[in-house]
Amino acid sequence: DGGITQSPKYLFRKEGQNVTLSCEQNLNHDAMYWYRQDPGQGLRLIYYSQIVNDFQKGDIAEGYSVSREKKESFPLTVTSAQKNPTAFYLCASSWGRDTGELFFGEGSRLTVL
Amino acid sequence: GQSLEQPSEVTAVEGAIVQINCTYQTSGFYGLSWYQQHDGGAPTFLSYNALDGLEETGRFSSFLSRSDSYGYLLLQELQMKDSASYFCAVTPNGGATNKLIFGTGTLLAVQP
Repeated sequence: DGGITQSPKYLFRKEGQNVTLSCEQNLNHDAMYWYRQDPGQGLRLIYYSQIVNDFQKGDIAEGYSVSREKKESFPLTVTSAQKNPTAFYLCASSWGRDTGELFFGEGSRLTVL
Repeated sequence: GQSLEQPSEVTAVEGAIVQINCTYQTSGFYGLSWYQQHDGGAPTFLSYNALDGLEETGRFSSFLSRSDSYGYLLLQELQMKDSASYFCAVTPNGGATNKLIFGTGTLLAVQP
């Protein structure tokens, strides 16, 4: 089965700790994205990557970091510099052409205590 | 900048037709997409309008008018399982592939 796998689904952390969210896809997609969703709100872009070893900041990149060492993987680190990290994090991937279609993972819900 | 506005909530009854509007302010974009998201789940792609006009996919249709800066999603023969949030999204011109900007979302409640 092809798809996008995010882990963990739920994560609790103390303030001041860095956390890394995993995102793996086996769809052979070139592009990958990280979005953040707050309750009752739309999705906001954190980082995106169009090819391996390259990534770009989205609209709310402060306090986050990513890497793209393999085509299949795009992990997101939420650092202690992120002032309000509690949120629902969604990873997505797409083909390397404009289709308007993103394939999303099931999300990771991070709660900082 | 770009912004996409949607009504926050819409309520309809089973079997009815409902239209969810999306108005936008953006200098240019490749196309308008629509996504469905059930509570706590992953957004799923519904449709994409690259050109003006109506696109039909089963019970769902989507419309785009660039001259009016407006689009909508039409859901027919509503079913209880259609209760979800719906988001419009655009990829701005000159941006990266499928680098979508999402609207505020509309929560659709389907009642028996």
